Amino acid sequence: NAGVMQNPRHLVRRRGQEARLRCSPMKGHSHVYWYRQLPEEGLKFMVYLQKENIIDESGMPKERFSAEFPKEGPSILRIQQVVRGDSAAYFCASSGQGAYNSPLHFGNGTRLTVT
Amino acid sequence: SQQGEEDPQALSIQEGENATMNCSYKTSINNLQWYRQNSGRGLVHLILIRSNEREKHSGRLRVTLDTSKKSSSLLITASRAADTASYFCATGTRLQGAQKLVFGQGTRLTINP
Repeated sequence: NAGVMQNPRHLVRRRGQEARLRCSPMKGHSHVYWYRQLPEEGLKFMVYLQKENIIDESGMPKERFSAEFPKEGPSILRIQQVVRGDSAAYFCASSGQGAYNSPLHFGNGTRLTVT
Repeated sequence: SQQGEEDPQALSIQEGENATMNCSYKTSINNLQWYRQNSGRGLVHLILIRSNEREKHSGRLRVTLDTSKKSSSLLITASRAADTASYFCATGTRLQGAQKLVFGQGTRLTINP
C-alpha cells in the first residue's frame, strides 16, 4: 500500500527554466494538496485540487505557478521561469472523499534548488 | 496568513523529561492536528483532535484543546532521543468535501541523551 509518492526528490534548475513536480496520491485518494516549505519554517498552503478541478488556489502565486490533477496520472505543480526565491521544499499531501476530519498523508517532498 | 502560532520555537530537554509545545490560532476550526517532521522528510501525522473534544491520548502523546482560548498543547512524556524532530500544529477547516489545513511555524525539539 504505497503512500504519497513525489518525484523527483531533488531538482536543480537554472534561473528562467521550468520546474515540474509530480505527485501520486495514495491509492483511492481523490484530494491533493500542495504546500511549500522554506528552510526552518512551517508549511505554507499553495493549492487544493480534486480530480480535474482546482478547489482553492489562494496560496499559489498568480504568475508562473500552475497546478493540475488530471483524470488519469499524477498531480503536477509547474513553475515557469524559475527564480532563486522559488528554491524550497514542495510537499504534496492527499486525502480521501469526505475527509474533513481525517489526517493528510504527506509525501517526502521535492527539494527545488534554483541556481 | 498562517493560522497557528507555536510556542516555543525551539525546545531542548534531557532524555526522560517531558516536552510541552503550545499552539494558538485565530479563527473557528473543525479540528486541530499535530504532525512531526524529521529533517529532510515529509510530515507524519501524530494526532487529531476535533473541535468538540478537549483531550486526546496516543501512547506517550497527550493533546489538549481549549476552543474558548483558541489554543492547544502537545505533551510528550518520557522523551527519547528519537523524538528529536520539528513538531507542527495545523488547524483544519472544512472545504468542499475535504479540508484545508493551515500549519504553524513549528517547534524544533531536541532531546539530549
